Amino acid sequence: KQEVTQIPAALSVPEGENLVLNCSFTDSAIYNLQWFRQDPGKGLTSLLLIQSSQREQTSGRLNASLDKSSGRSTLYIAASQPGDSATYLCAVLDSNYQLIWGAGTKLIIKP
Amino acid sequence: KAGVTQTPRYLIKTRGQQVTLSCSPISGHRSVSWYQQTPGQGLQFLFEYFSETQRNKGNFPGRFSGRQFSNSRSEMNVSTLELGDSALYLCASSLDPGGGELFFGEGSRLTVL
Repeated sequence: KQEVTQIPAALSVPEGENLVLNCSFTDSAIYNLQWFRQDPGKGLTSLLLIQSSQREQTSGRLNASLDKSSGRSTLYIAASQPGDSATYLCAVLDSNYQLIWGAGTKLIIKP
Repeated sequence: KAGVTQTPRYLIKTRGQQVTLSCSPISGHRSVSWYQQTPGQGLQFLFEYFSETQRNKGNFPGRFSGRQFSNSRSEMNVSTLELGDSALYLCASSLDPGGGELFFGEGSRLTVL
C-alpha cells in the first residue's frame, strides 16, 4: 500500500531564505508526483507536476525534483517571501490511478 | 476562464440526513475527481468521473456516491450522515483522466451535528 510522508510537518523561516520541503513515498510504481499549496480555508493550487520519467520541474522560484528509485521528492523554494506562507502538499498518482496524499508541511515565512 | 465551482460552500446537517454537493469543472475539462479532507485523515481520494462514468473509486463506504452529467458537471451524495463525515469536500477537474494537472475548487465544508 502506497504511503506518502512529508517532513517537516511545520517550518518557520525568515523572509529571503532558500528552503527545501521533503516528500517520500513507499512504492516507486507511480505515474507522477504533484506539489500543491493550500491557503487556509481554500482549495488547492497546483504548483508542479513531475511525470515518472522526469527528474525535475521548475516554475519561477520553485523547483521540484523526483528520485523514483529512492522514493523521494523535494520542493525547493528560492528567496522565500511572506506570500509563500501556506501548507504545501505532495501527492503521487499510484499504480491504481489514485492520488495518494502526504499530510503536508505548514510553512510560515516571517517578514 | 472560470475556475472550478463548488456549491454549497458551507452546510450543516444532522446525523442520519443526506447531502448532495455539486461541482462545475473548468469549461472543456472532462474529468472530475472528489476528495475528502479532515484534520485526522488528511486528504483522501473518493472517486473520479469521466464521460459520465465512474472511472475509479477510493476506499469509502457505499454511503458515498457520485455521478457526472453530460456537461461534465458532477455531484456527490452522502447518505445517512455520520459525525465523522464532517470534512472539507474538494472537487478537481482536469482535461482528461490519468494524471494531468488538477484544478481544484474551494471546497464544500460539511458539518454534521
